Amino acid sequence: KAGVTQTPRYLIKTRGQQVTLSCSPISGHRSVSWYQQTPGQGLQFLFEYFSETQRNKGNFPGRFSGRQFSNSRSEMNVSTLELGDSALYLCASSRIDSYGYTFGSGTRLTVV
Amino acid sequence: AQTVTQSQPEMSVQEAETVTLSCTYDTSESNYYLFWYKQPPSRQMILVIRQEAYKQQNATENRFSVNFQKAAKSFSLKISDSQLGDTAMYFCAFMKHGSGGSNYKLTFGKGTLLTVNP
Repeated sequence: KAGVTQTPRYLIKTRGQQVTLSCSPISGHRSVSWYQQTPGQGLQFLFEYFSETQRNKGNFPGRFSGRQFSNSRSEMNVSTLELGDSALYLCASSRIDSYGYTFGSGTRLTVV
Repeated sequence: AQTVTQSQPEMSVQEAETVTLSCTYDTSESNYYLFWYKQPPSRQMILVIRQEAYKQQNATENRFSVNFQKAAKSFSLKISDSQLGDTAMYFCAFMKHGSGGSNYKLTFGKGTLLTVNP
């Protein structure tokens, strides 16, 4: 059974650019969440989607957005990149959230 | 808002020994779930064990067990017979769950870096 797949694994962008990260959940998982991981702030919740609907959103500026497609694949977009956006972005999926989320290996974004 | 605190930034243990990682949390919720995740250098977060707050019985998964003290809001992880492959960052996490459903959000502690020495 394939796990949660995130692409790309590494990304280097310049300040002011925008970036799109992709996440393919485990087959049958309809809930997809995104987290930002940094050494200073730790793991922070970005947003969660289920059946193409955002059910919860973390305290991030509007430059961070996401969406989910009908096949449950999800993308997150960050516009007008800042140096502080450099982080590991983790995607997680779940069939039933109380059972726990399965995480992907993340996308390491570096903003220069 | 919920908070999760892991007071041990780093710990080490000898192979085959037992180690306990601490976690405390603060919430006004009565119905919630608690999780321990491990993150090895490969970066992938792996679910180690989960606990439903309404269950008094402590969860166990092979060499991993928890000591859940709801009144004290404490959720420690015990790793028995430690193995080199257990070397990783360990995160404690909280998720609210209620009659209206979960808020679908994991709140993580800052993590404990566990090193298992040969």
